[in-house]
Amino acid sequence: EVQLVETGGGLFQPGGSLRLSCAASGFTVSSNYMTWVRQAPGKGLEWVSTLYSGGSTYYADSVKGRFTVSRDNSKKTLFLQMNSLRAEDTAVYYCAIEYKTTWLDYWGQGTLVTVSS
Amino acid sequence: EIVLTQSPATLSLSPGERATLSCRASQSVGSYLAWFQQKPGQAPRLLIYDASNRATGIPARFSGSGSGTDFTLTISSLDPEDFAVYYCQQRNSWPPWTFGQGTKVEV
Repeated sequence: EVQLVETGGGLFQPGGSLRLSCAASGFTVSSNYMTWVRQAPGKGLEWVSTLYSGGSTYYADSVKGRFTVSRDNSKKTLFLQMNSLRAEDTAVYYCAIEYKTTWLDYWGQGTLVTVSS
Repeated sequence: EIVLTQSPATLSLSPGERATLSCRASQSVGSYLAWFQQKPGQAPRLLIYDASNRATGIPARFSGSGSGTDFTLTISSLDPEDFAVYYCQQRNSWPPWTFGQGTKVEV
């Protein structure tokens, strides 16, 4: 059974850094496209970043140069390194994969990141 | 960047009624459009992909149609568990993948 579990959220200061993790089970991390999507409180969904199975990475303009997506195949984990945090980065961060389709058909439960002084 | 505009913002209906949700793209996305359902405190769930294909386990009362710039999600007879927020998403032209702003279906 495919499962995705995000961890690493919490309260962080503007300008600070954190790393989110997404622990995967039930599939091969290296073989699937993996994506981060965020949702600010009371707002809609925003695509953040995608890591292709071949290693290519893509970022939303709002996070380009500040966030870095990576994975550890041996640990079956996807990461999102978030630097130079801003208040507008406050959101629930979900990891999701394309598994049965070429769409985001499996999602984790999300982890809340709050950026505030 | 392709902008997806969903309408209406809120749809007030009763169980058993038909719901029709719209998603309009700022330029053609072909059939590369999906619909997601999100309930409070939960992650989004894929309902429809490639404009008209139901995802695994999705009831037949959900259907999608459209191509190009105009798409519709129809719920033929609302079940109490269907009251939620619905988002469309395109992947024809990316990055970025883009989502609509959502339609809330409320009682």
